[in-house]
Amino acid sequence: AQSVTQLDSHVSVSEGTPVLLRCNYSSSYSPSLFWYVQHPNKGLQLLLKYTSAATLVKGINGFEAEFKKSETSFHLTKPSAHMSDAAEYFCVVSDPRYGGATNKLIFGTGTLLAVQP
Amino acid sequence: DGGITQSPKYLFRKEGQNVTLSCEQNLNHDAMYWYRQDPGQGLRLIYYSQIVNDFQKGDIAEGYSVSREKKESFPLTVTSAQKNPTAFYLCASSISTESPLHFGNGTRLTVT
Repeated sequence: AQSVTQLDSHVSVSEGTPVLLRCNYSSSYSPSLFWYVQHPNKGLQLLLKYTSAATLVKGINGFEAEFKKSETSFHLTKPSAHMSDAAEYFCVVSDPRYGGATNKLIFGTGTLLAVQP
Repeated sequence: DGGITQSPKYLFRKEGQNVTLSCEQNLNHDAMYWYRQDPGQGLRLIYYSQIVNDFQKGDIAEGYSVSREKKESFPLTVTSAQKNPTAFYLCASSISTESPLHFGNGTRLTVT
């Protein structure tokens, strides 16, 4: 069965320092993987997605993620945090057996990123 | 601007009352979804619709109902049968069921 684990429920960084949000997945197949961001009391916005092309995926707002099959990981990084990055981040996996169908997405429990001035 | 509009932003109801949450999109997307979000949990799919006049149960459909009479609209009714209705509800749409989701800004429902 597909599953996704976000290893940290809270991460705190200082402005200007690197961001690392960790995500591990479990899948018997090559999954599609996504990162979404949610600002307080807002909907989710797609940051980036991996669909078996390049393993290093660049997203919006300077974020990127690297798909590592050997480690079953899809960690999200950003070289330098900005105050506006403070939000909750969700790692999401889709099951390729269903053609990556959106109704088969599995959401992680989220990582709340705090950025200190 | 194209997008998804959920209304109201905050909703309060007494236990035992049905309540309907609105979701409208002008993105011309075929697929629409309702998710429930609880603190410390990921999103859970309630219902989805791939096309007008068709919808399917998601993982936690009990106590909820939907309709899809128009492409733009996918209202969710939280019935009195839903045992734990207080939550943040998110509506989303996508061009197809293989495309990324676009989300509305959510409705926070509190039932007392």
